[in-house]
Amino acid sequence: RKEVEQDPGPFNVPEGATVAFNCTYSNSASQSFFWYRQDCRKEPKLLMSVYSSGNEDGRFTAQLNRASQYISLLIRDSKLSDSATYLCVVGSYIPTFGRGTSLIVHP
Amino acid sequence: DTAVSQTPKYLVTQMGNDKSIKCEQNLGHDTMYWYKQDSKKFLKIMFSYNNKELIINETVPNRFSPKSPDKAHLNLHINSLELGDSAVYFCASSPSGGVGTEAFFGQGTRLTVV
Repeated sequence: RKEVEQDPGPFNVPEGATVAFNCTYSNSASQSFFWYRQDCRKEPKLLMSVYSSGNEDGRFTAQLNRASQYISLLIRDSKLSDSATYLCVVGSYIPTFGRGTSLIVHP
Repeated sequence: DTAVSQTPKYLVTQMGNDKSIKCEQNLGHDTMYWYKQDSKKFLKIMFSYNNKELIINETVPNRFSPKSPDKAHLNLHINSLELGDSAVYFCASSPSGGVGTEAFFGQGTRLTVV
């Protein structure tokens, strides 16, 4: 079983749509969870950390379910500029990346 | 000011050559990493250094040798380059020891072996 698994997509959605990504992880002892965003031919950048109680940043909401070992990212009111690859990351000592989920937002 | 900088940004070289990629961070972080992103976009960790000491060496051919002259620098030297080494190599850094601390990435070095 891969350490961090994500559906690669692509998710193809119209502007204004709500889209959700899930990610599962294998190491139950993991303490740190993140969502990163990677644009084409660019480096990954932190989108948001994921806290146990769940957290929101504008149109973005992240949730953590430790019992089922998954984290989620919800994007509301999608914008064209949200088109990118979203990377699930587990761990901060040795950040382990999922393969990423591709999102395409079209007009 | 670029927090994590890598050079060169692009590198095209022939099979069998030896090449180096340099990485520097000005964030004062204790931990630095090298990742490889292949054609399928999977980011895989190669090495991790903490305060100039190697702490992780994933299954990487020994043709790859990291060197950390000080905690702000982590260079990657590759001997006898092979076609399969073509990828984007990312350097990253993070503060050490803290739960929830994020990693900051350099812009990547796109290596093409011909």
